[in-house]
Amino acid sequence: QKEVEQNSGPLSVPEGAIASLNCTYSDRVSQSFFWYRQYSGKSPELIMSIYSNGDKEDGRFTAQLNKASQYVSLLIRDSQPSDSATYLCAVNDQAGTALIFGKGTTLSVSS
Amino acid sequence: DVKVTQSSRYLVKRTGEKVFLECVQDMDHENMFWYRQDPGLGLRLIYFSYDVKMKEKGDIPEGYSVSREKKERFSLILESASTNQTSMYLCASRPLAGNYNEQFFGPGTRLTVL
Repeated sequence: QKEVEQNSGPLSVPEGAIASLNCTYSDRVSQSFFWYRQYSGKSPELIMSIYSNGDKEDGRFTAQLNKASQYVSLLIRDSQPSDSATYLCAVNDQAGTALIFGKGTTLSVSS
Repeated sequence: DVKVTQSSRYLVKRTGEKVFLECVQDMDHENMFWYRQDPGLGLRLIYFSYDVKMKEKGDIPEGYSVSREKKERFSLILESASTNQTSMYLCASRPLAGNYNEQFFGPGTRLTVL
Protein backbone atom coordinates (compact mmCIF):
# COMPACT_ATOMS: atom_id res chain seq x y z
CA GLN A 1 0.00 0.00 0.00
CA LYS A 2 1.54 3.26 -1.10
CA GLU A 3 1.64 5.80 1.70
CA VAL A 4 2.27 9.47 2.21
CA GLU A 5 3.02 10.46 5.79
CA GLN A 6 2.75 13.87 7.38
CA ASN A 7 2.87 15.07 10.95
CA SER A 8 -0.70 16.13 11.74
CA GLY A 9 0.38 19.01 13.96
CA PRO A 10 -0.77 21.50 14.86
CA LEU A 11 2.39 23.35 13.97
CA SER A 12 2.36 26.73 15.65
CA VAL A 13 4.68 29.55 14.57
CA PRO A 14 4.71 33.27 15.30
CA GLU A 15 4.07 35.78 12.54
CA GLY A 16 7.21 36.42 10.51
CA ALA A 17 8.83 33.07 11.32
CA ILE A 18 9.66 30.23 8.94
CA ALA A 19 7.22 27.32 8.95
CA SER A 20 8.63 23.96 7.91
CA LEU A 21 6.26 21.21 6.80
CA ASN A 22 7.49 17.72 6.08
CA CYS A 23 6.28 14.71 4.13
CA THR A 24 7.64 11.23 3.43
CA TYR A 25 6.41 8.79 0.82
CA SER A 26 6.79 5.06 0.39
CA ASP A 27 6.81 4.52 -3.40
CA ARG A 28 10.33 4.96 -4.78
CA VAL A 29 9.10 5.38 -8.37
CA SER A 30 6.99 8.45 -7.60
CA GLN A 31 7.91 11.24 -9.99
CA SER A 32 5.83 14.26 -9.09
CA PHE A 33 4.99 15.90 -5.82
CA PHE A 34 2.48 18.54 -4.88
CA TRP A 35 1.62 20.74 -1.93
CA TYR A 36 -2.00 21.81 -1.50
CA ARG A 37 -3.35 24.32 1.01
CA GLN A 38 -6.81 23.82 2.45
CA TYR A 39 -8.60 26.42 4.51
CA SER A 40 -11.24 25.21 6.94
CA GLY A 41 -14.45 24.36 5.08
CA LYS A 42 -12.86 24.89 1.67
CA SER A 43 -11.43 22.60 -0.96
CA PRO A 44 -7.67 22.09 -1.51
CA GLU A 45 -5.81 24.46 -3.81
CA LEU A 46 -2.39 23.82 -5.32
CA ILE A 47 0.42 26.03 -4.08
CA MET A 48 3.56 24.21 -5.20
CA SER A 49 4.66 21.32 -7.39
CA ILE A 50 8.14 19.80 -7.66
CA TYR A 51 9.57 17.06 -9.84
CA SER A 52 13.37 17.22 -9.53
CA ASN A 53 15.69 16.86 -6.57
CA GLY A 54 16.56 20.15 -4.93
CA ASP A 55 14.70 23.33 -4.15
CA LYS A 56 11.98 25.17 -5.99
CA GLU A 57 11.04 28.67 -4.88
CA ASP A 58 7.85 30.63 -5.53
CA GLY A 59 7.51 33.82 -3.56
CA ARG A 60 7.49 33.01 0.15
CA PHE A 61 7.19 29.27 -0.55
CA THR A 62 10.05 26.83 -1.14
CA ALA A 63 9.52 23.16 -1.90
CA GLN A 64 12.41 20.78 -1.31
CA LEU A 65 12.68 17.27 -2.73
CA ASN A 66 15.09 14.47 -1.85
CA LYS A 67 14.17 11.35 -3.80
CA ALA A 68 16.93 9.24 -2.24
CA SER A 69 15.44 9.87 1.20
CA GLN A 70 11.87 9.86 -0.16
CA TYR A 71 11.27 13.17 1.50
CA VAL A 72 9.59 16.36 0.40
CA SER A 73 9.16 19.52 2.43
CA LEU A 74 7.54 22.94 2.21
CA LEU A 75 9.06 26.04 3.76
CA ILE A 76 6.96 29.15 4.26
CA ARG A 77 9.05 32.25 4.93
CA ASP A 78 7.71 35.33 6.72
CA SER A 79 4.64 33.37 7.85
CA GLN A 80 1.40 35.34 8.00
CA PRO A 81 -1.83 34.64 9.90
CA SER A 82 -3.45 34.10 6.49
CA ASP A 83 -1.15 31.08 6.05
CA SER A 84 -3.04 29.30 8.85
CA ALA A 85 -4.52 26.28 7.10
CA THR A 86 -4.03 22.56 6.59
CA TYR A 87 -1.27 21.66 4.13
CA LEU A 88 -1.64 18.46 2.16
CA CYS A 89 1.27 16.65 0.56
CA ALA A 90 0.40 14.64 -2.55
CA VAL A 91 2.40 12.19 -4.62
CA ASN A 92 1.66 10.80 -8.06
CA ASP A 93 0.79 7.11 -8.08
CA GLN A 94 2.78 4.66 -10.19
CA ALA A 95 0.24 4.68 -13.01
CA GLY A 96 0.40 8.45 -13.14
CA THR A 97 -3.34 8.79 -12.82
CA ALA A 98 -4.28 9.49 -9.24
CA LEU A 99 -2.63 11.52 -6.53
CA ILE A 100 -2.05 9.92 -3.15
CA PHE A 101 -2.58 12.41 -0.34
CA GLY A 102 -1.17 12.60 3.15
CA LYS A 103 -3.57 13.42 5.96
CA GLY A 104 -2.27 16.95 6.19
CA THR A 105 -0.45 19.18 8.66
CA THR A 106 -2.36 21.97 10.36
CA LEU A 107 -0.41 25.21 10.54
CA SER A 108 -1.33 28.01 12.93
CA VAL A 109 0.40 31.38 12.58
CA SER A 110 -0.14 33.70 15.53
CA SER A 111 0.04 37.47 15.23
CA ASP B 1 -9.21 29.25 -15.48
CA VAL B 2 -10.10 25.64 -14.86
CA LYS B 3 -13.41 25.29 -13.17
CA VAL B 4 -14.79 22.27 -11.39
CA THR B 5 -18.31 22.68 -10.09
CA GLN B 6 -20.38 20.48 -7.83
CA SER B 7 -24.15 20.46 -7.80
CA SER B 8 -24.64 21.26 -4.11
CA ARG B 9 -22.55 22.76 -1.32
CA TYR B 10 -24.72 21.28 1.41
CA LEU B 11 -27.05 18.32 1.25
CA VAL B 12 -29.18 16.60 3.90
CA LYS B 13 -30.62 13.18 3.16
CA ARG B 14 -32.32 10.41 5.11
CA THR B 15 -31.01 6.90 5.65
CA GLY B 16 -31.91 4.63 2.75
CA GLU B 17 -32.34 7.42 0.19
CA LYS B 18 -30.58 7.26 -3.16
CA VAL B 19 -28.24 10.23 -3.45
CA PHE B 20 -26.70 11.74 -6.56
CA LEU B 21 -23.69 14.06 -6.39
CA GLU B 22 -22.86 15.76 -9.66
CA CYS B 23 -19.54 17.17 -10.81
CA VAL B 24 -18.81 19.12 -13.98
CA GLN B 25 -15.46 20.36 -15.32
CA ASP B 26 -14.97 22.76 -18.19
CA MET B 27 -11.37 22.04 -19.27
CA ASP B 28 -11.77 18.84 -21.27
CA HIS B 29 -9.84 16.82 -18.68
CA GLU B 30 -9.76 13.08 -19.18
CA ASN B 31 -9.37 12.12 -15.52
CA MET B 32 -12.01 12.78 -12.89
CA PHE B 33 -12.04 11.71 -9.27
CA TRP B 34 -14.34 11.46 -6.27
CA TYR B 35 -12.90 11.71 -2.76
CA ARG B 36 -14.38 11.90 0.67
CA GLN B 37 -12.68 13.78 3.46
CA ASP B 38 -13.19 13.07 7.14
CA PRO B 39 -11.40 14.51 10.18
CA GLY B 40 -8.32 12.48 11.02
CA LEU B 41 -8.68 10.29 7.93
CA GLY B 42 -7.66 12.74 5.24
CA LEU B 43 -8.69 12.51 1.61
CA ARG B 44 -9.73 9.04 0.53
CA LEU B 45 -10.28 8.11 -3.09
CA ILE B 46 -13.67 6.53 -3.80
CA TYR B 47 -13.67 6.15 -7.58
CA PHE B 48 -11.98 7.67 -10.57
CA SER B 49 -12.54 7.71 -14.30
CA TYR B 50 -9.99 8.16 -17.07
CA ASP B 51 -12.45 8.32 -19.95
CA VAL B 52 -16.14 8.34 -20.79
CA LYS B 53 -17.86 5.20 -19.49
CA MET B 54 -14.61 4.04 -17.86
CA LYS B 55 -14.26 3.79 -14.10
CA GLU B 56 -11.84 2.40 -11.58
CA LYS B 57 -12.33 1.68 -7.91
CA GLY B 58 -10.34 3.70 -5.46
CA ASP B 59 -9.57 2.85 -1.86
CA ILE B 60 -13.12 2.93 -0.46
CA PRO B 61 -15.69 2.12 -3.20
CA GLU B 62 -18.07 0.15 -0.99
CA GLY B 63 -21.53 1.69 -0.89
CA TYR B 64 -20.87 3.94 -3.88
CA SER B 65 -21.17 3.78 -7.63
CA VAL B 66 -20.29 6.27 -10.37
CA SER B 67 -21.39 7.26 -13.82
CA ARG B 68 -19.53 9.06 -16.59
CA GLU B 69 -21.70 9.38 -19.68
CA LYS B 70 -20.08 12.59 -20.90
CA LYS B 71 -16.48 13.70 -20.62
CA GLU B 72 -17.25 16.79 -18.58
CA ARG B 73 -19.55 15.15 -16.04
CA PHE B 74 -18.82 12.60 -13.33
CA SER B 75 -21.54 11.53 -10.93
CA LEU B 76 -21.25 9.80 -7.58
CA ILE B 77 -24.20 7.71 -6.48
CA LEU B 78 -25.01 6.50 -3.00
CA GLU B 79 -27.43 3.65 -3.68
CA SER B 80 -28.82 3.58 -0.14
CA ALA B 81 -27.40 6.32 2.03
CA SER B 82 -26.22 5.45 5.51
CA THR B 83 -25.18 7.63 8.43
CA ASN B 84 -21.53 6.58 8.04
CA GLN B 85 -21.55 8.26 4.63
CA THR B 86 -21.94 11.65 6.26
CA SER B 87 -18.85 13.45 5.00
CA MET B 88 -17.35 16.14 2.78
CA TYR B 89 -17.28 14.92 -0.83
CA LEU B 90 -14.74 16.44 -3.18
CA CYS B 91 -14.63 16.06 -6.94
CA ALA B 92 -11.43 16.71 -8.89
CA SER B 93 -10.24 16.63 -12.47
CA ARG B 94 -6.82 16.31 -14.10
CA PRO B 95 -5.46 16.15 -17.64
CA LEU B 96 -4.39 12.73 -18.85
CA ALA B 97 -1.00 13.44 -20.38
CA GLY B 98 2.04 13.13 -18.15
CA ASN B 99 2.67 12.80 -14.45
CA TYR B 100 3.17 16.48 -13.85
CA ASN B 101 -0.27 17.87 -14.24
CA GLU B 102 -2.15 19.66 -11.52
CA GLN B 103 -5.30 18.19 -10.09
CA PHE B 104 -8.11 20.72 -9.66
CA PHE B 105 -10.75 20.39 -6.98
CA GLY B 106 -14.37 21.45 -6.89
CA PRO B 107 -15.76 23.36 -3.90
CA GLY B 108 -17.03 20.22 -2.16
CA THR B 109 -20.41 18.93 -1.05
CA ARG B 110 -21.02 18.48 2.64
CA LEU B 111 -23.46 15.60 2.90
CA THR B 112 -25.34 14.82 6.09
CA VAL B 113 -27.28 11.56 6.31
CA LEU B 114 -29.83 11.47 9.11
